Amino acid sequence: DADVTQTPRNRITKTGKRIMLECSQTKGHDRMYWYRQDPGLGLRLIYYSFDVKDINKGEISDGYSVSRQAQAKFSLSLESAIPNQTALYFCATSDIGVGGADEQYFGPGTRLTVT
Amino acid sequence: QKEVEQNSGPLSVPEGAIASLNCTYSDRGSQSFFWYRQYSGKSPELIMFIYSNGDKEDGRFTAQLNKASQYVSLLIRDSQPSDSATYLCAVSGSARQLTFGSGTQLTVLP
Repeated sequence: DADVTQTPRNRITKTGKRIMLECSQTKGHDRMYWYRQDPGLGLRLIYYSFDVKDINKGEISDGYSVSRQAQAKFSLSLESAIPNQTALYFCATSDIGVGGADEQYFGPGTRLTVT
Repeated sequence: QKEVEQNSGPLSVPEGAIASLNCTYSDRGSQSFFWYRQYSGKSPELIMFIYSNGDKEDGRFTAQLNKASQYVSLLIRDSQPSDSATYLCAVSGSARQLTFGSGTQLTVLP
């Protein structure tokens, strides 16, 4: 089984709808992240969580919210989806590695289309 | 100015050649540096990380870091068609977050 899973893998929704993307991990990592990827723009951080009680905004948090339900689960919500939120969304996890390097491991991604 | 810049490519090299991928960063407080490989439609996969000046080798891959010049590179020796992918440079600063470059698309020609 994959260490980091995301559901759904693909989703088409309409403008104004609420949608939740879910991420689960079996790696036992404390740290979890949500990114979006747009062509030519690389990966941009939306929210991150260093433990269940610690939630932080990333570079582009406007229009998004998150919930850390447990160490292994981190959900991303779009309260009222808009077309420019069409993107590929990745969840990632990390633990403190050698020398303090935080190697991040990514889930398979969710392709979201807002029409 | 973007915080992490990569040569935009696309970069094409013949099979068996050395592919050189470059990355510069703006935050002098950056501590750790990562290279990810991403195949089209797939998630990024960690190849290597480096946090000390100099070279770090892992098989056909060598990461090079020069903190004074704020420069990190990835060399792929004996390039194979299966190395064709987008390579993402990522930098970790004092906030322990990763900032990614926009990636360099590499094509290895048979």
